[in-house]
Amino acid sequence: AQSVAQPEDQVNVAEGNPLTVKCTYSVSGNPYLFWYVQYPNRGLQFLLKYITGDNLVKGSYGFEAEFNKSQTSFHLKKPSALVSDSALYFCAYNFNKFYFGSGTKLNVKP
Amino acid sequence: DTAVSQTPKYLVTQMGNDKSIKCEQNLGHDTMYWYKQDSKKFLKIMFSYNNKELIINETVPNRFSPKSPDKAHLNLHINSLELGDSAVYFCASSQDPRQGNGYTFGSGTRLTVV
Repeated sequence: AQSVAQPEDQVNVAEGNPLTVKCTYSVSGNPYLFWYVQYPNRGLQFLLKYITGDNLVKGSYGFEAEFNKSQTSFHLKKPSALVSDSALYFCAYNFNKFYFGSGTKLNVKP
Repeated sequence: DTAVSQTPKYLVTQMGNDKSIKCEQNLGHDTMYWYKQDSKKFLKIMFSYNNKELIINETVPNRFSPKSPDKAHLNLHINSLELGDSAVYFCASSQDPRQGNGYTFGSGTRLTVV
């Protein structure tokens, strides 16, 4: 079955440190992969997408993600975390409709 | 201007009641969706409409009935509400997700059934 998986329910990082939120995929063909962020009591907001082309994708708020075909991963990264990055992050793929991962709660502590 | 707007934002109601949630998008998108986010934050698609036609129905109880009077609106009507219906319901719209930024989401409707 096609899916995306987020192995970590929660990631804790100190402000100023680099952060990584993991996502692996199991999708046939060429996957269309996305990252979304959900702030408390808000809807999901688009961060970035990979459709084709350069494996390193840059998105909003200084986030980037690397598409790694050999490891079937699409991890979200940021070189220096901010407290305001604390939110729920969803990896997703598009195949006729969007399928979302289970979400990872990112806690950035001052 | 709000791109995808849902009303109401909060809805508290008793078991057995019938309620509706409205959604409107002003982006000119052809496709609209309803998602349910449960207490564990899992997001699950419920319905998808393309240009007023139902294209996805993900094994949702028939107490849930979406209605799309035009492609800018997708309302969700729920009959005989149950405790397990308590969740946050998100409306979303998209054109071709490969061309744009995927979905645009509304801010959610928090439904509490007591």
